[in-house]
Amino acid sequence: DAGVTQSPTHLIKTRGQQVTLRCSPKSGHDTVSWYQQALGQGPQFIFQYYEEEERQRGNFPDRFSGHQFPNYSSELNVNALLLGDSALYLCASSPTVNTGELFFGEGSRLTVL
Amino acid sequence: GENVEQHPSTLSVQEGDSAVIKCTYSDSASNYFPWYKQELGKGPQLIIDIRSNVGEKKDQRIAVTLNKTAKHFSLHITETQPEDSAVYFCAAPWGKAARQLTFGSGTQLTVLP
Repeated sequence: DAGVTQSPTHLIKTRGQQVTLRCSPKSGHDTVSWYQQALGQGPQFIFQYYEEEERQRGNFPDRFSGHQFPNYSSELNVNALLLGDSALYLCASSPTVNTGELFFGEGSRLTVL
Repeated sequence: GENVEQHPSTLSVQEGDSAVIKCTYSDSASNYFPWYKQELGKGPQLIIDIRSNVGEKKDQRIAVTLNKTAKHFSLHITETQPEDSAVYFCAAPWGKAARQLTFGSGTQLTVLP
């Protein structure tokens, strides 16, 4: 049973560029959340997708957007990249009848130069 | 939103000794408290969690205690081993359906052989 898979694992962009990160949830899970983890800090909630709609959003600007597909996979898009967007981006999935447990992927390490 | 504070930020113990990490939270409505372990280059992995209707939960060498009155919960690791070395995060839920997790700032645990 595959867990949460994310791609790419590492990428480097320059300021002002746009990036798309991808996530496939754990089998049987239909809810996907995205978190940003800066170096030496805990993950911070970006948003959550369920039934192809954004259900909750954290304190992130509109430059951060997402999408969920009918197969429950998800994308995170970040426009007009800033140096401060450099971080590990984590995708987490959970079942519909969520008890609170999140299953995290290994993350996508984004470096903005 | 929920505010989670975690202490200490670093902890070094001798192999075989016990380790204790403490967290406080602000939202008295929170009812689910997970602990995650994050190894270098990997995503966070749930190691134990506790719900507000119990005061303590054990799983082999790991235990979590919860004091709802004081709004704090702790992770206890006994008989520590080198493979326990990692960053540990506590978290508490908030937001709609309480699925969004707010994480503590993390504790770097080092088990010295």
